[in-house]
Amino acid sequence: DIQMTQSPSSLSASVGDRVTITCRTRQSINRYLNWYQQKPGKAPKLLIYEASSLQSGVPSRFSGSGSGTDFTLTISSLQPEDFATYYCQQSFSTPPLTFGGGTKVEIK
Amino acid sequence: EVQLVESGGGLVQPGGSLRLSCAASGFTFSTYWMHWVRQVPGKGLVWVSRINSDGSSTNYADSVKGRFTISRDNAKNTLYLQMSSLRAEDTAVYYCARHQRDYYYGMDVWGQGTTVTVSS
Repeated sequence: DIQMTQSPSSLSASVGDRVTITCRTRQSINRYLNWYQQKPGKAPKLLIYEASSLQSGVPSRFSGSGSGTDFTLTISSLQPEDFATYYCQQSFSTPPLTFGGGTKVEIK
Repeated sequence: EVQLVESGGGLVQPGGSLRLSCAASGFTFSTYWMHWVRQVPGKGLVWVSRINSDGSSTNYADSVKGRFTISRDNAKNTLYLQMSSLRAEDTAVYYCARHQRDYYYGMDVWGQGTTVTVSS
């Protein structure tokens, strides 16, 4: 199974800040990495697929990059509605599909 | 509107069984792979199972293999998860999710979740 390591596990940031979340794997997953946002009590929402493709309807302040073993989700200017938990997920070697442990973005 | 609606969750005793349903609408259900993903409150997302578009291929997480069965009825636009020999550690919110068109992409439509509690 491919293990996904997200960092940090949590962060505090202010509205307008640039936020970066990292996801790493021990073996290459090419570009088959997806990012989700989840707010409390709600289902996850797909933000980015195939490392850098923006899902339809997702604001352009969200972007993804990376390939191989190192990936990044960036929020260019944090908005109040972006405070949530973010998960990465690999689709390269399945089953199983595996998720990172999550990064909780909180208000500073 | 593209939508997935889960049902069937509830309280069940250890060793018991439960069947979850996921009703799809607003898209051609029969052409998409589907998943079940679960989440213990306050914890992360865990993939449970997937099924291909015609139901001929299924996969399971090791933790549920032999106890859970995923299936679908394309005529009824409904996905199922039959859970048996339930354990306390199966307690979670269960989400159904649609897989994007490409095999290597992600899950682009999610239901609201249904809660399963395994307790005596």
